[in-house]
Amino acid sequence: KQEVTQIPAALSVPEGENLVLNCSFTDSAIYNLQWFRQDPGKGLTSLLLIQSSQREQTSGRLNASLDKSSGRSTLYIAASQPGDSATYLCAVIPPLGGYNKLIFGAGTRLAVHP
Amino acid sequence: NAGVTQTPKFRVLKTGQSMTLLCAQDMNHEYMYWYRQDPGMGLRLIHYSVGEGTTAKGEVPDGYNVSRLKKQNFLLGLESAAPSQTSVYFCASSYSQESSGANVLTFGAGSRLTVL
Repeated sequence: KQEVTQIPAALSVPEGENLVLNCSFTDSAIYNLQWFRQDPGKGLTSLLLIQSSQREQTSGRLNASLDKSSGRSTLYIAASQPGDSATYLCAVIPPLGGYNKLIFGAGTRLAVHP
Repeated sequence: NAGVTQTPKFRVLKTGQSMTLLCAQDMNHEYMYWYRQDPGMGLRLIHYSVGEGTTAKGEVPDGYNVSRLKKQNFLLGLESAAPSQTSVYFCASSYSQESSGANVLTFGAGSRLTVL
């Protein structure tokens, strides 16, 4: 059974730091991997989606990489800002699966302080 | 542009009571989903719907029922609430099942349910 793990569960950094959030999954057979952001009292927002054939995706200060063979993905946030404070979740979809097969990690709660 | 709206946002129930959570989307999406989020765990799918009049079980369907009488609405019901159903519930919708950058999941803000 596919399991998705995110370490650390919480992270506090000063503003301006470059940081890396980790996501690992037990079964390398995935269709794609997605990173979401969750703000308190709000729903999840999709940040980046990496297809299984891709190695990375970039959006602004965010860069997500995927290494299927090792079952790992990282979300790199450059020059962190207080507005980046949120919980970041990764999720995978198995081959031939759709959104009804999405498997989430528990998330990393990030706090960026001024 | 409302997107996905969940009501109520908060609710406290006593064990054995029943209630219904309402999810409404205004994006003409075919697919709708109900998840629960518990501390230290990822979101888990309860039930989903692939179109008006259809429902299907997800990973954790026991103790819940759903209905999709109208395309824009997806209702989640608890017939006899239990403390184990204390959680934050999220509704989401998508145009299709295909996971792609052009077809992202859109989430509601969540409904926090406490069962005493």
